[in-house]
Amino acid sequence: AQTVTQSQPEMSVQEAETVTLSCTYDTSESDYYLFWYKQPPSRQMILVIRQEAYKQQNATENRFSVNFQKAAKSFSLKISDSQLGDAAMYFCAYRIPNTGFQKLVFGTGTRLLVSP
Amino acid sequence: EPEVTQTPSHQVTQMGQEVILRCVPISNHLYFYWYRQILGQKVEFLVSFYNNEISEKSEIFDDQFSVERPDGSNFTLKIRSTKLEDSAMYFCASKFRTGDSGNTIYFGEGSWLTVV
Repeated sequence: AQTVTQSQPEMSVQEAETVTLSCTYDTSESDYYLFWYKQPPSRQMILVIRQEAYKQQNATENRFSVNFQKAAKSFSLKISDSQLGDAAMYFCAYRIPNTGFQKLVFGTGTRLLVSP
Repeated sequence: EPEVTQTPSHQVTQMGQEVILRCVPISNHLYFYWYRQILGQKVEFLVSFYNNEISEKSEIFDDQFSVERPDGSNFTLKIRSTKLEDSAMYFCASKFRTGDSGNTIYFGEGSWLTVV
C-alpha cells in the first residue's frame, strides 16, 4: 500500500527567508504523481505544485520548488522569499497516474508559521 | 479560472438527520471525488465516481453514505443518518479525463459539517 509521511508537524520561517518541508513516500510503482497542496485557515485545498515521477527535472512554480529524489522516495518543498500569506498547512500527496479513478493519498501535513 | 464549488459552506445538523452536501465540479471534468478531513487529522479519501457509478470507495464509505450525479452539473454526497463522528470538513474534487491536465485533482472549498 502506498503511504506518505510528513515528519515535521510544524515549521517556522521568517518573512523573506527560505524554508523546506519534507515528505517521503512508499510505493512499488515506477510511474506516479506527487503533489503539494496548501490549506490556509479558510480550509480550501489549493494545489501548489506537481511532479511527475518520470521527469528528472524538479518542478518549480514561482517561489515554490521541489527536490524530488526518486531513489530515496523523497519529495521536499522549498519555499523561497517566504510571505505572510504562505502560512498554512501543507499536505504532500501521491497518486498513480493513468488509471482514471485512483485516489490521492495524503500525508498528515506540516503547519507552516511565517513571522514578520 | 474554473473551480469546484460546494454548498453549503457550513451545516449544523442533529444526530440521526440526513444531510446532503452539494458540489458543482469543473464543467469538462469527468471524474469526481469526495474526501473528508476530521478536525486536526489528514485528508481521507471517501469515494470516486465516473460514468455515473462509483469506481472506488474507502472503508469509511459505508451504507450510510451515497453519492449521486442527478444532472449534468451537480454531484452530491448524502449521509443518511448522521453520527457525531461524521463531523468533518467534506471536500469535493474533480479531474479531467486524461492527458497532462488529467492528472491533477482540483478541490472545492469544502463543506464543514457539524453533527450535534
